[in-house]
Amino acid sequence: QKEVEQDPGPLSVPEGAIVSLNCTYSNSAFQYFMWYRQYSRKGPELLMYTYSSGNKEDGRFTAQVDKSSKYISLFIRDSQPSDSATYLCAMNYGGSQGNLIFGKGTKLSVKP
Amino acid sequence: DAGVIQSPRHEVTEMGQEVTLRCKPISGHNSLFWYRQTMMRGLELLIYFNNNVPIDDSGMPEDRFSAKMPNASFSTLKIQPSEPRDSAVYFCASGRWGANQPQHFGDGTRLSIL
Repeated sequence: QKEVEQDPGPLSVPEGAIVSLNCTYSNSAFQYFMWYRQYSRKGPELLMYTYSSGNKEDGRFTAQVDKSSKYISLFIRDSQPSDSATYLCAMNYGGSQGNLIFGKGTKLSVKP
Repeated sequence: DAGVIQSPRHEVTEMGQEVTLRCKPISGHNSLFWYRQTMMRGLELLIYFNNNVPIDDSGMPEDRFSAKMPNASFSTLKIQPSEPRDSAVYFCASGRWGANQPQHFGDGTRLSIL
């Protein structure tokens, strides 16, 4: 079993829809959880990060972490065509280490 | 502010040739990461440095791969000899050391080995 599982999609939604992206993980030692967005032929860019369980909101984006279920989610409200990208979840063990374990990414397409 | 700069953006070469990928991290960042991205395996960490010192190279696939960071503003990833299965997009990322510190990625080098 891979440490981080993410449905690759593709996921296609109409503009204005609410999008739900998810990852599951196997290692309960993970402490920091991040979402990166990657546009075609570009490097990933950090979108959101949370520590431990709970919710975090930033504009149209909400990140949720449920450590008891080993499940994290990213919600996008009022989705826009500019949100079309691949979304990668990432996590690490905390402490002083900075190495991230990434999911494979979910490709999202928002149709106007 | 300049982001992470990688060169070349594209590289096409023949099997057996030496390939050198270059990275200039963001000024002030003290950690640097090399990743490889493929459709099959996703984004994989190859090696990372803290204060120019390699911390973990367990992700380097074979001895054909080597990485150096001679100073805080430059790093290289070398493949010698290259093989077709090395074809991938290679990313460099930099950040400040710490588990909660974001990593800032370059736009990658798209490597094709014929």
